Amino acid sequence: ETGVTQTPRHLVMGMTNKKSLKCEQHLGHNAMYWYKQSAKKPLELMFVYNFKEQTENNSVPSRFSPECPNSSHLFLHLHTLQPEDSALYLCASSHRTSGETGELFFGEGSRLTVL
Amino acid sequence: AQKITQTQPGMFVQEKEAVTLDCTYDTSDQSYGLFWYKQPSSGEMIFLIYQGSYDEQNATEGRYSLNFQKARKSANLVISASQLGDSAMYFCAMSEADSWGKFQFGAGTQVVVTP
Repeated sequence: ETGVTQTPRHLVMGMTNKKSLKCEQHLGHNAMYWYKQSAKKPLELMFVYNFKEQTENNSVPSRFSPECPNSSHLFLHLHTLQPEDSALYLCASSHRTSGETGELFFGEGSRLTVL
Repeated sequence: AQKITQTQPGMFVQEKEAVTLDCTYDTSDQSYGLFWYKQPSSGEMIFLIYQGSYDEQNATEGRYSLNFQKARKSANLVISASQLGDSAMYFCAMSEADSWGKFQFGAGTQVVVTP
C-alpha cells in the first residue's frame, strides 16, 4: 500500500460537471497539500491543511473547493471548471512540527482534462 | 517572484556517467530546507534528498549527493553512475522557516539517460 493514494488517477469532465478528487495518506502525517502541475510550469501550491485546518489558500479560484475532514483525508471538489484547469493535481502530506517541516510525500496524481 | 531557478530544461547523459543538475535559490531566511524530487513519466513525485540550511556537510543518499554552496545560494544535485531508470524530470524545492510547509518548486530539468 502506497503512503499517499489519490483517486481517480484520470478524470475527464465537462465545464458544467461537478466532480471530486480524493487523497488519503497512511503515514500519520499532520499536514496535507494540493498542488497543480501544468505543462511547462513549476508546481503551484494550491492549498495547505495543518491538523485539518486550512493554513494556505494560494489565491485559488472558488471553482476549486478543498475539504479536509481529518488528518488522513483530503478532497478537492471541482465545479464549473475551465479548459485551462486541465492539469495533473498532486496531493502530498508531510509531518510538521513547530520548528520545521519534513519532506513532502506525494501521491501519483490525478490527471484532469476539462473539455 | 520565482525563488527556485533551474536553468537546464533538459540534459542527456550516458549510462554510468555522473550528471550535475543546477539549482539556485533566493531567500532572506536563515533557516530553510532544500529538497530534490524525481518525477518519472508515471507522474509520482519521489523524494530524493534533503539539505538543511544549517547542515555543514553536504547531504548524500546512495548515488545522490547535494552540492550545497550556501554563500552562492546553490544546491546542485549530483547523480553518480547514471542508470536508465534515472530518466525523469528532476525538481529542486525549498521550504522557508517563515512558511514551513509552503514548498516552492523550480521548473525542473528533464534528464534522459542513454545506453
